Amino acid sequence: KAGVTQTPRYLIKTRGQQVTLSCSPISGHRSVSWYQQTPGQGLQFLFEYFSETQRNKGNFPGRFSGRQFSNSRSEMNVSTLELGDSALYLCASSFSGRMNTEAFFGQGTRLTVV
Amino acid sequence: AQSVTQLDSQVPVFEEAPVELRCNYSSSVSVYLFWYVQYPNQGLQLLLKYLSGSTLVESINGFEAEFNKSQTSFHLRKPSVHISDTAEYFCAVSGSGNTGKLIFGQGTTLQVKP
Repeated sequence: KAGVTQTPRYLIKTRGQQVTLSCSPISGHRSVSWYQQTPGQGLQFLFEYFSETQRNKGNFPGRFSGRQFSNSRSEMNVSTLELGDSALYLCASSFSGRMNTEAFFGQGTRLTVV
Repeated sequence: AQSVTQLDSQVPVFEEAPVELRCNYSSSVSVYLFWYVQYPNQGLQLLLKYLSGSTLVESINGFEAEFNKSQTSFHLRKPSVHISDTAEYFCAVSGSGNTGKLIFGQGTTLQVKP
C-alpha cells in the first residue's frame, strides 16, 4: 500500500511569488491535514480537509489556502510568499480524521523563499 | 485550549543506556496521545499511541509510554537505546472536536552517543 506522497520534495521560490504543494493520501483515506514545521515555531496545524470540505483551520493568514479534490488528493497554496514562509510543509492523511485514528505523514515539501 | 509541553529540547545519552523523554499535556476533555519520531529530512512516523484502555503502551522497537491522567503526562521511555534511535521525537494530543487536528509539543532531540 503506497504511503502519503507529497510533491515536490524541494522548492525554491522568490518573495512575492505564489506556490502550490500537492499531497496524495493513502488510498481510502478521506481526511488530509497540513502542517508547517519551522525551527522556531515547531509543528503548527494549517488546515484539515475531509470529503472536499475544510473542516478545521489553524491560525494562519489568508495567504495560506487549500483544497481537496474528489479523489481526496489535496493541494495547498501560499500566495505572496514571505521569507518567513520558508519551512517544511507536511501533509497527513487518515481514514476518517477522527481524534482516535492514526495520521500517516508524507515526507514533506521543503520550501525555501529567497 | 489544549497544549503539549516537552520539557527537554535535547537529551544526550550513551548507547545502551536508558532514556526518558518527558511530555505533559493540558486539556479539559478526554484526550488521545501520540508519540511521533522524525529522522533527518523525513516526515513523521507514529511510534505509539494511547487511545483508551491500558495506560502503558508499547511500540515494536522497544519504546513504551505511560499515560498518567493525574499528572497529565505521557512520558516516553526505552530501557536501552541504540545509535539508530537518534532522531527528533514529538509528543502530540488530538485536538477537540471531530477533527484530525494534532497539537504537537516542540520536540525533543535524542542524541545517542557511542
